Amino acid sequence: DIQMTQSPSSVSASVGDRVAITCRASQGISSWLAWYQQKPGKAPKLLIHTASTLQSGVPSRFSGSGSGTDFTLTISSLQPEDFATYYCQQGSSFPRTFGQGTKVEI
Amino acid sequence: QVQLVESGGGLVKPGGSLRLSCVASGFTFSDNYMNWVRQAPGKGLEWVSYISARGTITYYADSVKGRFTISRDNAKNSLYLQMNSLRAEDTAVYYCARGITGAEEYWGQGTLVTVSS
Repeated sequence: DIQMTQSPSSVSASVGDRVAITCRASQGISSWLAWYQQKPGKAPKLLIHTASTLQSGVPSRFSGSGSGTDFTLTISSLQPEDFATYYCQQGSSFPRTFGQGTKVEI
Repeated sequence: QVQLVESGGGLVKPGGSLRLSCVASGFTFSDNYMNWVRQAPGKGLEWVSYISARGTITYYADSVKGRFTISRDNAKNSLYLQMNSLRAEDTAVYYCARGITGAEEYWGQGTLVTVSS
């Protein structure tokens, strides 16, 4: 199975800050990497798929980069509604696997 | 708009069974592969199972293989998860999700399964 490791596990930030979350796969997954945002009590929301493709309706302050084993989600200017937990997921093979999550908090 | 509505969750004793359903609307259900993903209380996301658009290919997480069965009825726009031999560690919110190029594009609101005596 492919292991996905996110870092950091949590980050304290302020409105307007630039935040970067990294995700490392235990083996190469090409660009088969997705990022999700989840708020308490809600279902996850797809932000980015195929490593860097912004899902329709997602603000452009979110961006994704990377390929192979190392990936990054960047929020260019943190907004109040961005405080949430973020997960990466590999879509290269089964079983699909998620990172452990990164909580972005004030 | 795309809607996925799960149902069938509840309280069940260890060793018991439960069948989850997910009714889809707003898109051509038979064109899309589907997944079940779960989240234990206070924990991260765990992928559970996949089914191809026609239902001919399925995959399972090792943690549920042999106990859970995914299926679909394209005529009814419905996805199912039959869960047998339930364990305490299966306690979670279960989400159905529509797939797109290696990701889960749309998610339902989830249904809570609690396994406890």
